[in-house]
This record gives sequence, structure tokens and C-alpha cells, in this order.
Amino acid sequence: GENVEQHPSTLSVQEGDSAVIKCTYSDSASNYFPWYKQELGKGPQLIIDIRSNVGEKKDQRIAVTLNKTAKHFSLHITETQPEDSAVYFCAAPGSYQLTFGKGTKLSVIP
Amino acid sequence: NAGVTQTPKFRILKIGQSMTLQCTQDMNHNYMYWYRQDPGMGLKLIYYSVGAGITDKGEVPNGYNVSRSTTEDFPLRLELAAPSQTSVYFCASSLTVAGNSPLHFGNGTRLTVT
Repeated sequence: GENVEQHPSTLSVQEGDSAVIKCTYSDSASNYFPWYKQELGKGPQLIIDIRSNVGEKKDQRIAVTLNKTAKHFSLHITETQPEDSAVYFCAAPGSYQLTFGKGTKLSVIP
Repeated sequence: NAGVTQTPKFRILKIGQSMTLQCTQDMNHNYMYWYRQDPGMGLKLIYYSVGAGITDKGEVPNGYNVSRSTTEDFPLRLELAAPSQTSVYFCASSLTVAGNSPLHFGNGTRLTVT
């Protein structure tokens, strides 16, 4: 089945700096890669996703890049703001519908 | 639209008690899921359903049961609660299969078994 590794587990950045979170996956047939943001006390919420026929996708300060050859994809957040502080999860299709990474706790320091 | 609604938000159970976690969605999604979230472990799929009357096991189904009598509702039943079931439970829905479309999550039920 699919195995998704996510790094780092925690990340602290100064407000205004960029943050990058990386995930690797094992199943070369996977073709859909979403990123979810979970704020304290809430359920995860989709912030961006990418399909395997695209190498990069941007939405304002958020971007996702995909390297199918190396089987990894990354979330990039530019000009970080305090409201970006949350736990971020990557995911990839797996044996049980969707396999999630273990999460990255991002702290943006004002 | 309310999206995915879960009740209760918090619950404390004694070992051996039973309870049902409620989940309802108003987006007319066929696919629904139950996940549990433990600290540092991400989200693990307990059960899922691809439509009314159809359910299937996920990665960690032991100790749980589900039913799907309507498109809107997908309750999760815990029988004989154990401390290992202390967790945060999330219900989610999607328009098509989760490996191809976004999941919409509820805000979770925090369960403690003592």
C-alpha cells in the first residue's frame, strides 16, 4: 500500500519568511496529492491540491510542487503570517482511500 | 450549507460503556469516512461508505461499527469502550472517491475513555 512520509514534524519561521514542507510517497500510480490545514480545535481543511499531470500549482501565497520521478511533493508558503500557524497534512491515494502524512506543526513567530 | 456536522464535541466514557458518534452532511456526497487522530500519528481511516447501504473497513476498524441507512448520515458505534479508543474522531465526506477529490471534514469529537 501507499506510504507517505512528511518532514519536518515541526517548523518555526519568522513572520514574513517562507515555509516549505515536503512529502514523499511510494506508489508511482498515485495521481492526486492534496494538502490540508488543521487549526486548533477544528477539522482539517483542504488548502491546495495537485494532480500528476501538473508540476506546480499556485494559489496566492501557497504553492505545491510535484516531482513524479523522485516521488515527492512539497508545500510552499511565502510571506508567512501568524494565521498560517497550524498543523499541515499531506496525503496521497492509498489502500484505504487516502493515506495521510503524520503532519507538520508550523509556528509563525510575529 | 452546514457541511459536515459531528455530535457530540466532547465525551468521557468509562471502560466497557458504549456510545454512538453522530455525523451528518448536507452536500449530497455519496462518500463518507470516519478517521481517528492520535497525537503525532496523522489520520487513520476506521470505516468508509461509498453510498447508502454500503460500508467497508478501513485501516483500524477493530472495536467500531458503522451503518449508512441514508446519504446524509453515517454514525460510528463504539461497543465496549477501551482506553485505546481515546482519540479525536473526524467524520468526512467527498463527492467522489477520496483518492481523487477533496475531503470535507467535521470539527471532530474528542473522546476520553477512563
